[in-house]
Amino acid sequence: GAVVSQHPSRVICKSGTSVKIECRSLDFQATTMFWYRQFPKQSLMLMATSNEGSKATYEQGVEKDKFLINHASLTLSTLTVTSAHPEDSSFYICSAGPLPRGLDGYTFGSGTRLTVV
Amino acid sequence: GENVEQHPSTLSVQEGDSAVIKCTYSDSASNYFPWYKQELGKRPQLIIDIRSNVGEKKDQRIAVTLNKTAKHFSLHITETQPEDSAVYFCAASIGTNAGKSTFGDGTTLTVKP
Repeated sequence: GAVVSQHPSRVICKSGTSVKIECRSLDFQATTMFWYRQFPKQSLMLMATSNEGSKATYEQGVEKDKFLINHASLTLSTLTVTSAHPEDSSFYICSAGPLPRGLDGYTFGSGTRLTVV
Repeated sequence: GENVEQHPSTLSVQEGDSAVIKCTYSDSASNYFPWYKQELGKRPQLIIDIRSNVGEKKDQRIAVTLNKTAKHFSLHITETQPEDSAVYFCAASIGTNAGKSTFGDGTTLTVKP
């Protein structure tokens, strides 16, 4: 139980285009989803907190107009990277929760490797 | 905000030896401390966690200790195996909002056969 699916797993896009990444909780309802970015050989950096039915809360330094987050249902949050540039190339990972049945922590999605060329 | 420091950044041990990774945190309000294992190109996987009302937790070859006074916690892996080789991240979070975690910079563990 507590499975989080992320799609796509890999995407290559041209500079200036937009890319949408989906994060789904498959077997539980997630009131909160977090979006992280991880550059090669670096740690996970929180980008934003997404609560179902409300606006996302962005961390300092993260452009909300560039990284659009929508959490329209209890099982789906999307991150859209708008007007992508090569420096946006990174590994994007979501986490969803809280977990059911009293489990601790949150579960991570499988991640999306974005390459902007 | 919270600041988590993790040491060492790289660790190489011989198969069968123990490995210890240490983390410190700055915010005394943090009360949930998970450890994640991340293999190359894959998602972080929770391997063990500890809440602030507990000083130690063990799960087979893996244990975590927490010193709230000193604000540090450690991951201990005994009888290491080559498949333990990965990047390990510690994290700290406050309250029930455990998903909003501040991560350490990671430790690359290599277990030599």
